[in-house]
Amino acid sequence: DAGVIQSPRHEVTEMGQEVTLRCKPISGHDYLFWYRQTMMRGLELLIYFNNNVPIDDSGMPEDRFSAKMPNASFSTLKIQPSEPRDSAVYFCASSLIGWGEKLFFGSGTQLSVL
Amino acid sequence: QQQVKQSPQSLIVQKGGISIINCAYENTAFDYFPWYQQFPGKGPALLIAIRPDVSEKKEGRFTISFNKSAKQFSLHIMDSQPGDSATYFCAASDASGNTGKLIFGQGTTLQVKP
Repeated sequence: DAGVIQSPRHEVTEMGQEVTLRCKPISGHDYLFWYRQTMMRGLELLIYFNNNVPIDDSGMPEDRFSAKMPNASFSTLKIQPSEPRDSAVYFCASSLIGWGEKLFFGSGTQLSVL
Repeated sequence: QQQVKQSPQSLIVQKGGISIINCAYENTAFDYFPWYQQFPGKGPALLIAIRPDVSEKKEGRFTISFNKSAKQFSLHIMDSQPGDSATYFCAASDASGNTGKLIFGQGTTLQVKP
């Protein structure tokens, strides 16, 4: 397996624009997680899915953020409208079982909002 | 109570030395304590993990020491090598309930000098 695949690797956009980040989890993994990493706040869990169903989105900063998982092999994280404070590295991770199991992280999307 | 506090923030060690990173937690429901290693431009990767039924776990040069009464755990890297230079994150979760989130520490940047 190629691991968790995220795209794009880098995204530079202007404030107010819509941004869509994409993730393909490892085949067979039932859990998918979206994390955000910043120097100030470290690794923050934004939302996670189990069997394509959102379970906990309490980490989503505000209504500008939304996430979907239309099928077991694809998820998106959308920011609309984007703001400079959204600049961060966004990671997608998947696992077979859940919290007691190894999380496999993608290489992340470096987002810069100007 | 959901926090995991990690120290030091950065660490410089000579090649062959011992690197020690410490973490403390408050939530007594936590029962899974992994350490993740992150290289620049990559996502975190699971390094080693421990459950509170043992006080120590060793995998190669990496050892987790766990003190349940003090609610502390630490990562020891023996014979540190320049290739170990990375950011290390401790984490904790209520894995048995499979409802708790994986809470990450703030990270420790380790530099091993040749």
